[in-house]
Amino acid sequence: AQKVTQAQTEISVVEKEDVTLDCVYETRDTTYYLFWYKQPPSGELVFLIRRNSFDEQNEISGRYSWNFQKSTSSFNFTITASQVVDSAVYFCALSAPQWAAGNKLTFGGGTRVLVKP
Amino acid sequence: DGGITQSPKYLFRKEGQNVTLSCEQNLNHDAMYWYRQDPGQGLRLIYYSQIVNDFQKGDIAEGYSVSREKKESFPLTVTSAQKNPTAFYLCATKWLNNEQFFGPGTRLTVL
Repeated sequence: AQKVTQAQTEISVVEKEDVTLDCVYETRDTTYYLFWYKQPPSGELVFLIRRNSFDEQNEISGRYSWNFQKSTSSFNFTITASQVVDSAVYFCALSAPQWAAGNKLTFGGGTRVLVKP
Repeated sequence: DGGITQSPKYLFRKEGQNVTLSCEQNLNHDAMYWYRQDPGQGLRLIYYSQIVNDFQKGDIAEGYSVSREKKESFPLTVTSAQKNPTAFYLCATKWLNNEQFFGPGTRLTVL
């Protein structure tokens, strides 16, 4: 069975501070995919990143960066120099290989980020 | 514009009524999914469909039904058997690269 744990339920920071969101996962698959989604107050989920289990390189996209460590089953997400527009709920998710039946996403419980001006 | 549309945005239901949530996509994606989100919670899978005329139960299918008669459409019916249907419902599609795209959601409230 797959499981995703986001231990931080809510993080509050002041604008321009960095914030790191933790994500720990469990899976028996040797091939899998990890995702981060952002859910602003409007409710729609916005895709941020997809990472496959073979690629452990860290990735940076603007103020966003991701640290994938297979040895600790973690896929952490950092927002550098946070802005008020970053306020949202962020979800980490795990998926079986695309050839697996259903190929569903297993979501963590989400971390609410509140960036204060 | 390409994307996923869900309607209505807000839906109110009396106890004992069946209601149907619409999900339409013009992305030409084969797979479609329905998720339920409760306040302060992550998303849980209700049903999914990988091709037309085929669908599978997810983790919380009881009290729900779906159909997939067309590639573009995957409606979800919340039946009276669903004891606690008040939630936010999200529809998603998936292309071959595993990335799921989400619609704007329908917020269902039972009165």
